Order: sequence, then structure tokens, then C-alpha cells
Amino acid sequence: EIVLTQSPGTLSLPPGERATLSCRASQSVSSSYLAWYQQRPGQAPRLLIYGASSRATGIPDRFSGSGSGTDFTLTINRLEPEDFAVYYCQQYGSSPWTFGQGTKVEIK
Amino acid sequence: EVQLVQSGGEVKKPGESLKISCKGSGYRFFSYWIGWVRQMPGKGLEWMGVIFPGDSDIRYNPSFQGQVTISADRSISTAYLQWSSLKASDTAMYYCARRSELGGFDYWGQGSLVTVSS
Repeated sequence: EIVLTQSPGTLSLPPGERATLSCRASQSVSSSYLAWYQQRPGQAPRLLIYGASSRATGIPDRFSGSGSGTDFTLTINRLEPEDFAVYYCQQYGSSPWTFGQGTKVEIK
Repeated sequence: EVQLVQSGGEVKKPGESLKISCKGSGYRFFSYWIGWVRQMPGKGLEWMGVIFPGDSDIRYNPSFQGQVTISADRSISTAYLQWSSLKASDTAMYYCARRSELGGFDYWGQGSLVTVSS
């Protein structure tokens, strides 16, 4: 099983700043089968990024993903009020399709 | 419009059985993997398993194998998650989600809250 470790656990930033979230895998994620999700309180998760760097339909271009192998990054440029939420990475290259434990982005 | 609509919340006692559902619409249900994800209160997401309704191929997370059963009825575009004997530790929100052809889960159900308490 591939274990995904996200850091930091919590990121405190003011609106307008850039957020950089990390997701590190215990072994290489095949074909960059890595996704990022946003979850706001009381809502289902929403797909942001698939294939490590491709934005899902309707996702603003301030969200970007990068990385390969075992190290992946989600960057959110110019944080908007609606971006304060919990973010999860997920690998779907090998079963079980594991999630990271999440990073909470909170308003500073 | 693609939609996944889940069955409503349930309150059960330990030892009881339960089957929750996830009905897909707006797309070819039998052509996409449907997954189940658990979220315990205040915790993160856990991938439980997936099913391909076209041929009922199922992949379980070993952590959940033997604890739950995933199934689907393609004739009514519905996937299921069931327990034969619930425990208090099964109390959680359960989401179904569709695996996109491009990767990741692109559509999610609204969640089914299962509460197990004596």
C-alpha cells in the first residue's frame, strides 16, 4: 500500500497570499496518477487536479499541481475566501487508492 | 447532468445490518468505476473500494475487506455498500464517487451519514 504524507497539517495564511501544499508518497506513484481534492465544511470533496498537474473542469487557474514520482505539490495563488478548506491528495495508480491525511488551509 | 444521489442517513444499533445506495444518472453508469469513501467524524478520507458496474469487477481496500460488501445493479444504475453486522466504529459519513476517465473521482454523492449506537 502506498502511504501519502501531506504537509503541513495546517497552513495559516491571509487572503491574497500563495499556499504551497506538499504530498509525499512512500513509493513512486505510477504514471503520475495523483489527484488533489478540496473539501469545505459540510460538503463532499471536489476534484481539483488529476494526473498530478491537470486541472479538472471548472477549476480556476489559480490552482496548479506539479510533481512526479514520490513528491507532489498543490499551489494556490492569491487565496480567495472560498479557498479556505481542507485539501487531500490521492493516488490511484495502485490499489488501494489511498488518500493523504489532509492539509487544512485556514485564514490568518 | 451527471449526478450521484445517495440514500438518506441511517441510525442503527450494533449488530444490525445495513445497505446504503448510490444512484447514478446523466451518464453511462456501467462504463465508469464507482468508489466508496469513508469519513469518520472530524477525520480524513479513507478509500474503501471500487466497483466497475459493467462487469462487477470489485477492488477492496484490505482494511475494509470482509467488513463491508460492495455491489451494483446496472439495470437501475445503482451501487451499494452493505454491512452484515454494524459496529459503533462504523459511525461515519459515507460517500460514493465516480472515477473519471481522466483520473480521480470527478463526481461525488452528497454523502450518507450512518450512526451506530446502542
